[in-house]
Amino acid sequence: AQSVTQPDIHITVSEGASLELRCNYSYGATPYLFWYVQSPGQGLQLLLKYFSGDTLVQGIKGFEAEFKRSQSSFNLRKPSVHWSDAAEYFCAVGDSNYQLIWGAGTKLIIKP
Amino acid sequence: NAGVTQTPKFQVLKTGQSMTLQCAQDMNHEYMSWYRQDPGMGLRLIHYSVGAGITDQGEVPNGYNVSRSTTEDFPLRLLSAAPSQTSVYFCASSETTGVNSPLHFGNGTRLTVT
Repeated sequence: AQSVTQPDIHITVSEGASLELRCNYSYGATPYLFWYVQSPGQGLQLLLKYFSGDTLVQGIKGFEAEFKRSQSSFNLRKPSVHWSDAAEYFCAVGDSNYQLIWGAGTKLIIKP
Repeated sequence: NAGVTQTPKFQVLKTGQSMTLQCAQDMNHEYMSWYRQDPGMGLRLIHYSVGAGITDQGEVPNGYNVSRSTTEDFPLRLLSAAPSQTSVYFCASSETTGVNSPLHFGNGTRLTVT
């Protein structure tokens, strides 16, 4: 069965430090992969997506993610976090019918 | 520039009551969907629609009804509320049903059933 695992429920990083949020998926075919961000009290917003081609994809707000087929991973990175990045981040995998399977989310806490 | 609008933002129901969560989008999107978000479980799809007059069940449809009489509106009805339906509900839309069409989310409705 398809699944998405975000191993870290919470991550705390200092402002200005680098960030990596992990996402592992289980999917039989070539996956469509997404990262969404949810700010407090808000809906989700698309950060970036991977469908094919270059395995390093750039998104909004300075985020990037790398698809590694051999590791079934799609980790999200940012070189230097800002206090405004505090939010919850969701990884999702989709099939050709646009049925998305969502990870449980990782809450990012920024230390001043 | 409203996007996806959900009402109400908060609601408290007693067990057995019924209510409708409203969702409207002004982007002429074909695809609309309802998700529930529970702690530690991510988002789960309740129902979705690929166009006016067409709806289908998602992963957790029991206890919920939907209809899509217009392109803009996609209300979610709780027929007889249960405490297990306490959750945050999100409506989302996308331009097409293709996977390369990003989802646009409303700000959510927080529902408590006592």
